[in-house]
Amino acid sequence: QQQVKQSPQSLIVQKGGISIINCAYENTAFDYFPWYQQFPGKGPALLIAIRPDVSEKKEGRFTISFNKSAKQFSLHIMDSQPGDSATYFCAARRMDSSYKLIFGSGTRLLVRP
Amino acid sequence: DAGVIQSPRHEVTEMGQEVTLRCKPISGHNSLFWYRQTMMRGLELLIYFNNNVPIDDSGMPEDRFSAKMPNASFSTLKIQPSEPRDSAVYFCASSYVLAGGGLANEQFFGPGTRLTVL
Repeated sequence: QQQVKQSPQSLIVQKGGISIINCAYENTAFDYFPWYQQFPGKGPALLIAIRPDVSEKKEGRFTISFNKSAKQFSLHIMDSQPGDSATYFCAARRMDSSYKLIFGSGTRLLVRP
Repeated sequence: DAGVIQSPRHEVTEMGQEVTLRCKPISGHNSLFWYRQTMMRGLELLIYFNNNVPIDDSGMPEDRFSAKMPNASFSTLKIQPSEPRDSAVYFCASSYVLAGGGLANEQFFGPGTRLTVL
């Protein structure tokens, strides 16, 4: 019940295309769902986050779609660029734990020029 | 702000040796996290400090691992004795967490220490 399942493991997209990464969870006690972006040799950095009271959040080319009934959320990267090539992690936080993030397994995205 | 600072960036050691990883959190943050990242297990929380006090060490794999935070600007993660299966990237992250729970702010990660135990 603590798990966050992420797919796909890797993704190759052409420049200008849409990248879609999916995550699913089982624990209904999660109340905060961030996405982190990690470049090689760097630590993860917060990209965008959503709370379950909204179904979508958009920041620039990055959009989170959230389906509470299906317990799924996804990251969409519009007009993908080679500079978006990185590993993306979804995560979830329990509402009774203000600090603990449960991370997905990560998706390695490669955007071809 | 320099962000979270970790040292060393790379560490290669032999099995049985003691390893000490260091972290300087962002000034003003009251919470510090140590994570371990491996291909097999992904990103795992090892230990969480709030106001220099260990709150959750349930992720520490075994007694060979220990962590300290003697003051608000410094923390160490020690492995003694080290084993090849400890090879991983270790991240330190810091954040500001409101007292009594509530919503925590973003966790800021350091660049990590890549540990190789031969």
